[in-house]
Amino acid sequence: GAGVSQSPSNKVTEKGKDVELRCDPISGHTALYWYRQSLGQGLEFLIYFQGNSAPDKSGLPSDRFSAERTGGSVSTLTIQRTQQEDSAVYLCASSKDGLLGGYGYTFGSGTRLTVV
Amino acid sequence: GQNIDQPTEMTATEGAIVQINCTYQTSGFNGLFWYQQHAGEAPTFLSYNVLDGLEEKGRFSSFLSRSKGYSYLLLKELQMKDSASYLCAVILNSGNTPLVFGKGTRLSVIA
Repeated sequence: GAGVSQSPSNKVTEKGKDVELRCDPISGHTALYWYRQSLGQGLEFLIYFQGNSAPDKSGLPSDRFSAERTGGSVSTLTIQRTQQEDSAVYLCASSKDGLLGGYGYTFGSGTRLTVV
Repeated sequence: GQNIDQPTEMTATEGAIVQINCTYQTSGFNGLFWYQQHAGEAPTFLSYNVLDGLEEKGRFSSFLSRSKGYSYLLLKELQMKDSASYLCAVILNSGNTPLVFGKGTRLSVIA
């Protein structure tokens, strides 16, 4: 697609429920990144994919968080048994050939998750 | 750990010049990015520095000193639409390693 697409744009869920967040990167972008942004905080790295593999999962805050990517394209971030502290904006970004050349990421508009 | 510091908030007047500083202490360094983020929107790429010096792009310029672990973003001829958060981010290694972001500087442009 023309840009990075994330769905849903907003999600309100009850504490304890599972949620799935979807990211559709720019076509041809090999790298895909998940971050989350809480109010007043910076972007917190969660996980990134190179193709379908995840070389770095170090940012996942707990084992309730998991992510997968299939076909080198769409990625899904799953949060199980959601807690109120999971409330944040979840941002996805993709890049073509890594960050060499200085092109940086292209971000999606994010999913605003609210756990009530 | 990685440490990237920026002022939390700044205010400047329309038409003026503002400089947003960023200092970093990181385990590696392979370049620094600046992003702009309007409230409720995705961050968008502004600039990239990997060598010391000034990169100019229209009203925006970015400077890097690797020896000092320091960068700044300079915005000239401020406009109301420049009110946004400005995020400093460091790439630690070559390749597809994730960017490490500072907490961002919220800039308010006033008339």
